[in-house]
Amino acid sequence: ETGVTQSPTHLIKTRGQQVTLRCSSQSGHNTVSWYQQALGQGPQFIFQYYREEENGRGNFPPRFSGLQFPNYSSELNVNALELDDSALYLCASSPRATNEKLFFGSGTQLSVL
Amino acid sequence: EDQVTQSPEALRLQEGESSSLNCSYTVSGLRGLFWYRQDPGKGPEFLFTLYSAGEEKEKERLKATLTKKESFLHITAPKPEDSATYLCAVQRDQTGANNLFFGTGTRLTVIP
Repeated sequence: ETGVTQSPTHLIKTRGQQVTLRCSSQSGHNTVSWYQQALGQGPQFIFQYYREEENGRGNFPPRFSGLQFPNYSSELNVNALELDDSALYLCASSPRATNEKLFFGSGTQLSVL
Repeated sequence: EDQVTQSPEALRLQEGESSSLNCSYTVSGLRGLFWYRQDPGKGPEFLFTLYSAGEEKEKERLKATLTKKESFLHITAPKPEDSATYLCAVQRDQTGANNLFFGTGTRLTVIP
């Protein structure tokens, strides 16, 4: 059984650019959530996808968008990057949309210069 | 507004020295309270879910308890491998998604 995998592990971008982060969910899991974790803070919920539809969103602007594919893998896209977007982006999968036991990947460390 | 406050921010213990971490919360309609462990450079790892006041759960040297206002994570006779950041999170009744609201964590260091 493979766990949640994220790519890339590290990324450096400049302000105003766009970025795409990728996540493969754990085998058998149909729900993917994305979280942003700034240095020294707890993770903050961005949004969740269940069966390719967004079914929950946190307090993030529309330039944060996502996709979930038929194989339940997912992408997080961020447009018009700002310096404050520098953070660890975590993907988590779960077997059901309302199952609270989330399995997290190791994250993508994004630095915006 | 939902709030999760964890204390202390950092804790240094000698190996074998038991202690407790605190998570106080304010949330309208608690669906569940969660404890996660996070090692440097890794994502959080699930430890426990507690649903109602009075509930307790144990795993190895860890025991989590819940009241109507706070949760404690008790660590008995810790070992150096217990060193990590421990995160507390709450989920509200109203959300249908796995929307967890996290605290900022307690960074635990266990010295041999």
